Amino acid sequence: AQTVTQSQPEMSVQEAETVTLSCTYDTSESDYYLFWYKQPPSRQMILVIRQEAYKQQNATENRFSVNFQKAAKSFSLKISDSQLGDAAMYFCAYRSGRGGSEKLVFGKGTKLTVNP
Amino acid sequence: SAVISQKPSRDICQRGTSLTIQCQVDSQVTMMFWYRQQPGQSLTLIATANQGSEATYESGFVIDKFPISRPNLTFSTLTVSNMSPEDSSIYLCSVETGRRGNTIYFGEGSWLTVV
Repeated sequence: AQTVTQSQPEMSVQEAETVTLSCTYDTSESDYYLFWYKQPPSRQMILVIRQEAYKQQNATENRFSVNFQKAAKSFSLKISDSQLGDAAMYFCAYRSGRGGSEKLVFGKGTKLTVNP
Repeated sequence: SAVISQKPSRDICQRGTSLTIQCQVDSQVTMMFWYRQQPGQSLTLIATANQGSEATYESGFVIDKFPISRPNLTFSTLTVSNMSPEDSSIYLCSVETGRRGNTIYFGEGSWLTVV
């Protein structure tokens, strides 16, 4: 079974600085998808960024980018120019490329604090 | 993306009662998923709901406790039956949109507290 590990329970960053959240995963599959979700105090899960395993290019969404190292099974999230609104729980998630009824497997999350 | 509405957003429930959570999507989707997030924890899949067939439950979750309906391609309900304080959680509906492997989007969640 696939597992996702987020080794940083909490992280903090100064406003306007850059922070990197770590995520590693374990799988024997070659076709899969990786995601970062953000959960602010409102509790809604918001998609931040996604990465297809077959793509070598790292995904980028505005201030958010990933460092995807397939061989190392690592998928870190970099937040640039951090803003107060970035404060939230961040969850890394894995999904098999088989699609259909395949579920998301989540890490335990990293709580990000942004200091003014 | 899909717009997913859940009701109720929050409720306080008495021990031993049951509550049904509704999930409405603004477009037709094949797969709908129900997750549970216990306080301070990550998300755990309860079951997958496919229209026209019985839901598929994950290990540790049973239909008698969490019956699910999926009457059409835009709507599903999850019932939490005979609630106990251990059922106090956020329950999230999610859907897959697009082709194989495409993104899963979440509703706002239903925050249940059992007293």
